[in-house]
Amino acid sequence: DAKTTQPPSMDCAEGRAANLPCNHSTISGNEYVYWYRQIHSQGPQYIIHGLKNNETNEMASLIITEDRKSSTLILPHATLRDTAVYYCIVRGYNNAGNMLTFGGGTRLMVKP
Amino acid sequence: SQTIHQWPATLVQPVGSPLSLECTVEGTSNPNLYWYRQAAGRGLQLLFYSVGIGQISSEVPQNLSASRPQDRQFILSSKKLLLSDSGFYLCAWSGGWGYGYTFGSGTRLTVV
Repeated sequence: DAKTTQPPSMDCAEGRAANLPCNHSTISGNEYVYWYRQIHSQGPQYIIHGLKNNETNEMASLIITEDRKSSTLILPHATLRDTAVYYCIVRGYNNAGNMLTFGGGTRLMVKP
Repeated sequence: SQTIHQWPATLVQPVGSPLSLECTVEGTSNPNLYWYRQAAGRGLQLLFYSVGIGQISSEVPQNLSASRPQDRQFILSSKKLLLSDSGFYLCAWSGGWGYGYTFGSGTRLTVV
């Protein structure tokens, strides 16, 4: 699976949009981009995933660049409860066992 | 709907004692099952995964073992705990490639 690079930490004001970037320049054609988040002392929570089209659900939007080498997770109106570590993961079809490999993630701090 | 149960939530064990953590999934069949560990302030490390009954793949050589005696049951064990086994243990399941993970609520193990 392709490696991802994320900033270690970010701050966001409550009520503003949080834009979390992820670089995956070695992504291949059959690899999906997944986003999870982990609130302190809890298990990671699935947020969204996509292949090449932009995706939106009730939690967030995922914007994938045309060359698929980077993506951005957007939380449109961040709340204090969105404070968490956000993980960007790339996973491919040939991944035996369908494993997810977590990197360091981005620690998002939403401030009042 | 599918649910995942993991217990106990917290555990304090002396060095050299055995360990057994259990994870069960409801509402699905033949899930992929995973054990992750998260040391304090660190990322998630995949320990074991299983794609079927009796099929266990180990990602990291260590003091731990895993078993899958039933389709929806995944057990993490140790014969003799070490101080370095302390951490937050998470069980997860997946429906296979293209599906996200659902994590359990985790077990916080402290070896003293």
